[in-house]
Amino acid sequence: ILNVEQSPQSLHVQEGDSTNFTCSFPSSNFYALHWYRWETAKSPEALFVMTLNGDEKKKGRISATLNTKEGYSYLYIKGSQPEDSATYLCAFKIRDNYGQNFVFGPGTRLSVLP
Amino acid sequence: DVKVTQSSRYLVKRTGEKVFLECVQDMDHENMFWYRQDPGLGLRLIYFSYDVKMKEKGDIPEGYSVSREKKERFSLILESASTNQTSMYLCASSYTGVSYEQYFGPGTRLTVT
Repeated sequence: ILNVEQSPQSLHVQEGDSTNFTCSFPSSNFYALHWYRWETAKSPEALFVMTLNGDEKKKGRISATLNTKEGYSYLYIKGSQPEDSATYLCAFKIRDNYGQNFVFGPGTRLSVLP
Repeated sequence: DVKVTQSSRYLVKRTGEKVFLECVQDMDHENMFWYRQDPGLGLRLIYFSYDVKMKEKGDIPEGYSVSREKKERFSLILESASTNQTSMYLCASSYTGVSYEQYFGPGTRLTVT
């Protein structure tokens, strides 16, 4: 079974702080890397889909980078706000016969204190 | 808006009962997935389906079965519920292709007593 790791497990920051998390995944058979945000009592929602080494994606104050050769992705949040409080999941998509199978990391739980 | 719905948000069942969890998506997605989520663990894939009547085992299929008779509906079946199946169950769907993300339902929190 493939292993996807995320660090830190949880994080508490003050409103206005910038922060970043790491997702580590196997560097072989890479197909895609997804980031999802999962707010309490809601469904996980996709933030980014990343497919190419060196990809950088941005959505408002949130951005992500991808290094497929060394097997990691960073998610950055600039100027954290209380509404950013959520669990952030990364999902590694392997290249297999079906091409649709994901392996999720355990998530990073972010709490932004006002 | 893509919508993935699940039949129940909360469910309490007794050990040995047969349990059906239903998932419906309205975006004509080819792929549908069932995951369970437990504290400290990532979403773990139970089963997925890439077409009607097609299914593939995920990482933890033991104790579960699935059914996909129509493209929009994917059911998870616990033949004889056990306490270690107490968990949050999430359904998801997606198009086929490298660029497509998964869309998730709201989850069903199942408690087996």
